[in-house]
Amino acid sequence: AQSVTQLGSHVSVSEGALVLLRCNYSSSVPPYLFWYVQYPNQGLQLLLKYTSAATLVKGINGFEAEFKKSETSFHLTKPSAHMSDAAEYFCAAASFKAAGNKLTFGGGTRVLVKP
Amino acid sequence: NAGVMQNPRHLVRRRGQEARLRCSPVKGHSHVYWYRQLPEEGLKFMVYLQKENIIDESGMPKERFSAEFPKEGPSILRIQQVVRGDSAAYFCASSPDVYTEAFFGQGTRLTVV
Repeated sequence: AQSVTQLGSHVSVSEGALVLLRCNYSSSVPPYLFWYVQYPNQGLQLLLKYTSAATLVKGINGFEAEFKKSETSFHLTKPSAHMSDAAEYFCAAASFKAAGNKLTFGGGTRVLVKP
Repeated sequence: NAGVMQNPRHLVRRRGQEARLRCSPVKGHSHVYWYRQLPEEGLKFMVYLQKENIIDESGMPKERFSAEFPKEGPSILRIQQVVRGDSAAYFCASSPDVYTEAFFGQGTRLTVV
């Protein structure tokens, strides 16, 4: 069974500083990996996804993530935080197969951006 | 192109009542997933349906919860005799096939009073 772990339930960064959100997965077969963002009382918006093509994945809003098989990690970064990045971020894994592509989510990391 | 539509967006029920949550998938999508987000937690898979069939309900509580996705009309998640612990955000996602990631709706926030 897959599991996804996000280190740090809350992260506080200054505006303009690096954003680093950590995600590790546990799976015998490297899964497809996703990062989603959720703004208060909103649904999930896909930031980026890894589907076994390039290991460095660029997403929307200046975010990117690097898949590292040796570390079973898929950390999300953004070089310079904006106030609008304040939200909750979820890492998720899926194994696309005939039985469906249900997602296994991490616990989420809430990002606070300080002016 | 309309995305995944969920209604209502907010639902308040008294303990013991029934809650019916609706999800209209993206047009042409025949695969629907339901997830639950308890307060301060991540999303947890509940059930996966294709038209008229439940494929995987491994995340569904054994009692009081049921889901359907009829040939015509939206997918319905039904919770009977709601309790305070059912208060959560319920998200629906749809995809055109098993090899394409699903798109999420805005969620229904259920509050049980």
